[in-house]
Amino acid sequence: DSGVTQTPKHLITATGQRVTLRCSPRSGDLSVYWYQQSLDQGLQFLIQYYNGEERAKGNILERFSAQQFPDLHSELNLSSLELGDSALYFCASSVGSGNYEQYFGPGTRLTVT
Amino acid sequence: QQQVKQSPQSLIVQKGGISIINCAYENTAFDYFPWYQQFPGKGPALLIAIRPDVSEKKEGRFTISFNKSAKQFSLHIMDSQPGDSATYFCAAIIGGNQFYFGTGTSLTVIP
Repeated sequence: DSGVTQTPKHLITATGQRVTLRCSPRSGDLSVYWYQQSLDQGLQFLIQYYNGEERAKGNILERFSAQQFPDLHSELNLSSLELGDSALYFCASSVGSGNYEQYFGPGTRLTVT
Repeated sequence: QQQVKQSPQSLIVQKGGISIINCAYENTAFDYFPWYQQFPGKGPALLIAIRPDVSEKKEGRFTISFNKSAKQFSLHIMDSQPGDSATYFCAAIIGGNQFYFGTGTSLTVIP
């Protein structure tokens, strides 16, 4: 167990809808990272937050947004969902911003029908 | 464009054998190269990592070999066990805030 928690574990929704994925980092970790894992694209880095501020951006679509709250938990919001958004979404955390050791949560499996 | 190219896509090894997974990159700005292990239904877990100023790093049965001039690095799993059956990802990182992963290798160790 990495100490990173993600909810929900599974999510099924329809195209055009909006969902929110939640992540709680390990105790003491200030950075949160979001990743998308799909069969055809592999593991793609989406975005990083450090202590409430956005630090780095990867291949995140404009329909997606994230934030990190004062208690350091993070939420990833996915809107106007398309079939192609079906994937596993992982959250990871690390102690610092430039810290290379990330600890991954168990993921949220999103299915868009 | 795939920043990190990983091969093979799948690998079957006999118990006790050596598993070898290779990765290649182009961007010389990468400064950290971790390997992750992922079991079905779980998130990736950091296995071992290396910086480009080191040619080899060993932790137990797992070894990373790094060839800076060839821009290649590989994971060797010695004395492979059925419990090692998982998907392995290489990754390359720049400055702790740009992360690129390989496409994964599904390893099956048969008894």
